[in-house]
Amino acid sequence: EAAVTQSPRSKVAVTGGKVTLSCHQTNNHDYMYWYRQDTGHGLRLIHYSYVADSTEKGDIPDGYKASRPSQENFSLILELASLSQTAVYFCASSDVRGEQYFGPGTRLTVL
Amino acid sequence: TQTVSQSDAHVTVFEGDSVELRCNYSYGGSIYLSWYIQHHGRGLQFLLKYYSGNPVVQGVNGFEAEFSKSDSSFHLRKASVHWSDSAVYFCAGYQGGRALIFGTGTTVSVSP
Repeated sequence: EAAVTQSPRSKVAVTGGKVTLSCHQTNNHDYMYWYRQDTGHGLRLIHYSYVADSTEKGDIPDGYKASRPSQENFSLILELASLSQTAVYFCASSDVRGEQYFGPGTRLTVL
Repeated sequence: TQTVSQSDAHVTVFEGDSVELRCNYSYGGSIYLSWYIQHHGRGLQFLLKYYSGNPVVQGVNGFEAEFSKSDSSFHLRKASVHWSDSAVYFCAGYQGGRALIFGTGTTVSVSP
């Protein structure tokens, strides 16, 4: 069974709208991450968290918020979606050994 | 903070051939390097990692990688590729908080 799940798997949003991407892990990992992937680029870190109720900014946090209400759940929130936020978003979790386990991704299209 | 670079955007090989994917890094503190594979439309999957000890590390499905401090490299190799190895391969380095910084990826196409 999948250890990291994401919902929705795809979404079309309107410019200026609010978007929430959800991630759930059953790995019992403390660390969770949100990345975005754009065509021709690797993954870039948006936010991460190493404990519930706490989040940290990654490399490209502008325009995004994150929420970690429990060890298992980590959400990414776009308060005012913009065209430039069209991308595939991946959630991942890891333990102290550092190996990251990725979800299947969410394809977000902002129109 | 480390940086990682992958110089080859696309590599084409025939089934049964060997392949080497290049990754170079810049030292930024702790050494932690890894490789991930992404099949089309899927999330990334961990292949192998290096942080200390034997510079040659073995991963899943016959992949191995060799760490070189002198060359600042962590190249991935496989002796005999299969069509199912067609994917995008990402090298990743450690950037603190257990977060990774990824290279831009190398697309491997395996021809029959």
